[in-house]
Amino acid sequence: LAKTTQPISMDSYEGQEVNITCSHNNIATNDYITWYQQFPSQGPRFIIQGYKTKVTNEVASLFIPADRKSSTLSLPRVSLSDTAVYYCLFSGNTPLVFGKGTRLSVIA
Amino acid sequence: EAGVAQSPRYKIIEKRQSVAFWCNPISGHATLYWYQQILGQGPKLLIQFQNNGVVDDSQLPKDRFSAERLKGVDSTLKIQPAKLEDSAVYLCASSSTAGSTDTQYFGPGTRLTVL
Repeated sequence: LAKTTQPISMDSYEGQEVNITCSHNNIATNDYITWYQQFPSQGPRFIIQGYKTKVTNEVASLFIPADRKSSTLSLPRVSLSDTAVYYCLFSGNTPLVFGKGTRLSVIA
Repeated sequence: EAGVAQSPRYKIIEKRQSVAFWCNPISGHATLYWYQQILGQGPKLLIQFQNNGVVDDSQLPKDRFSAERLKGVDSTLKIQPAKLEDSAVYLCASSSTAGSTDTQYFGPGTRLTVL
């Protein structure tokens, strides 16, 4: 079963750029990399998805190297409201498999 | 656009009792998912519906869990009888199609406590 590995937790100060890296050595050719965000007492929310190179939207950027064995979610200038759990997962196979995610704590 | 609705938001029951959760997906979404999220873990898929047919229920404990999606819209998830280890948040999600790259939209979840 395809698996992703990401840090359990990260801390950051407000206004800094945060980069969360996810390893996925056994990613399949048809897999996309997708990131979800989850606030306490809420369901996960889609952030960004990509296949290769770089994808940017109004919330984040996603960097995927040519070998696709890892990806990095970049959150520019985080604020306290970005404190959440961030999940990296594949979306090319059904079902989606969520790991434990990375718990990001933003400090004032 | 209205999001995924779930009820109740909270439920406390004793072990061996029965409980049911309800989900109303985003209008027009053909695919509906039920997830179980135990504290400190990521969501785990229990069952996926495409319209009113089951696509994947490989991780559903069928001896006690059941789900249906009559008429391909609303869905209910039932646990009978409940065990202590069923304490979790039950999340419903929907997507426009069953395409694996389609964005899933999650509801707020139902927090179940089994005493």
